[in-house]
Amino acid sequence: ELKVEQNPLFLSMQEGKNYTIYCNYSTTSDRLYWYRQDPGKSLESLFVLLSNGAVKQEGRLMASLDTKARLSTLHITAAVHDLSATYFCAVDNQAGTALIFGKGTTLSVSS
Amino acid sequence: DAGVIQSPRHEVTEMGQEVTLRCKPISGHDYLFWYRQTMMRGLELLIYFNNNVPIDDSGMPEDRFSAKMPNASFSTLKIQPSEPRDSAVYFCASSSDPLGYTFGSGTRLTVV
Repeated sequence: ELKVEQNPLFLSMQEGKNYTIYCNYSTTSDRLYWYRQDPGKSLESLFVLLSNGAVKQEGRLMASLDTKARLSTLHITAAVHDLSATYFCAVDNQAGTALIFGKGTTLSVSS
Repeated sequence: DAGVIQSPRHEVTEMGQEVTLRCKPISGHDYLFWYRQTMMRGLELLIYFNNNVPIDDSGMPEDRFSAKMPNASFSTLKIQPSEPRDSAVYFCASSSDPLGYTFGSGTRLTVV
């Protein structure tokens, strides 16, 4: 059974601090996706990582992929309140036709 | 493009009633997905279609759940009879490739 595990599930951060969210998965997929969900809202695509060693950055968020370790990280630099949301990672199912999501990491940034 | 459109946004129903959730995918997208989101289980893939044909319904929790896609611009997810444990947010998404997933705004279902 395909598994996607995120940790931590909840993260309370202070503004200005750095932290990392981890996503482990059990498939041999070369693609990994990060989504953001604001409370009561839909999911918004953040990053698509397409190969081993891929790194993508936007603003204070940076995502990386290590397919050999089956691990992706989402690094947050100098957190600000606007980053408070739930972050999901996802991988392709075995057929490569649908996404399987982790349970999400709920990030709360306070001053 | 208006994106993926789901209706209703909120649904409150009594246990035992039939519930129908609706989704209009983005024009030209040939994949349509139904997900359910709960605090306990996160985002679960229920069923997905390719070119209106159900491909994998292994995530549908019980026979009380059914989904159809009669044409390229419309899909329904039906629960009959509904139970309190079906309370969740149901998302529809469409894509022409998993890289291009677009989610709808979701339907928040409450079964009392």
